[in-house]
Amino acid sequence: DTGVSQDPRHKITKRGQNVTFRCDPISEHNRLYWYRQTLGQGPEFLTYFQNEAQLEKSRLLSDRFSAERPKGSFSTLEIQRTEQGDSAMYLCASSLVGGTYGYTFGSGTRLTVV
Amino acid sequence: GQQLNQSPQSMFIQEGEDVSMNCTSSSIFNTWLWYKQDPGEGPVLLIALYKAGELTSNGRLTAQFGITRKDSFLNISASIPSDVGIYFCAGFTGGGNKLTFGTGTQLKVEL
Repeated sequence: DTGVSQDPRHKITKRGQNVTFRCDPISEHNRLYWYRQTLGQGPEFLTYFQNEAQLEKSRLLSDRFSAERPKGSFSTLEIQRTEQGDSAMYLCASSLVGGTYGYTFGSGTRLTVV
Repeated sequence: GQQLNQSPQSMFIQEGEDVSMNCTSSSIFNTWLWYKQDPGEGPVLLIALYKAGELTSNGRLTAQFGITRKDSFLNISASIPSDVGIYFCAGFTGGGNKLTFGTGTQLKVEL
């Protein structure tokens, strides 16, 4: 297992377009997290899954954002009608339930909305 | 919401110097973690702390879990150029379901 994989690494999109990102966690990890990081800030929690169930969503996750983990393995994060304020690094992480050993993060998807 | 404040915000040091940074919270945390992030990459876990007062080392890095459970400290001894990056503290609260990150300390090392 090579760790947490995210695709694409970079995405440039025009305002108003929809974008979808994919995350493949470490295979034995049953928890998967999405974070957003803007320039000069620490990562901010968006949502997390335990297996296929989405257990918590941040108020940062507006109704334009949706995340899925249909089979409890990979996850997708979709942003509809993108806005310039959505420009950020979107980070995915995974862990085992309990997660107190810290998460393993992917390299992120850098989104630029123009 | 909970906030973790890190200081200093940035530091510029000479190679070979020791570095200290800290992280404070308005809430009690039951686990403290320190991550390092290189440009364009995700954070990488450096050290994890689980008990108040705990002191843990990882090579040239040493971190401590504050007695009040509201702070943590990271020290880097004999800094080298590859120590350059942003260091984040992070913590779990009682539920342990999500990690809250600090504001980051950017370290720059002068040769």
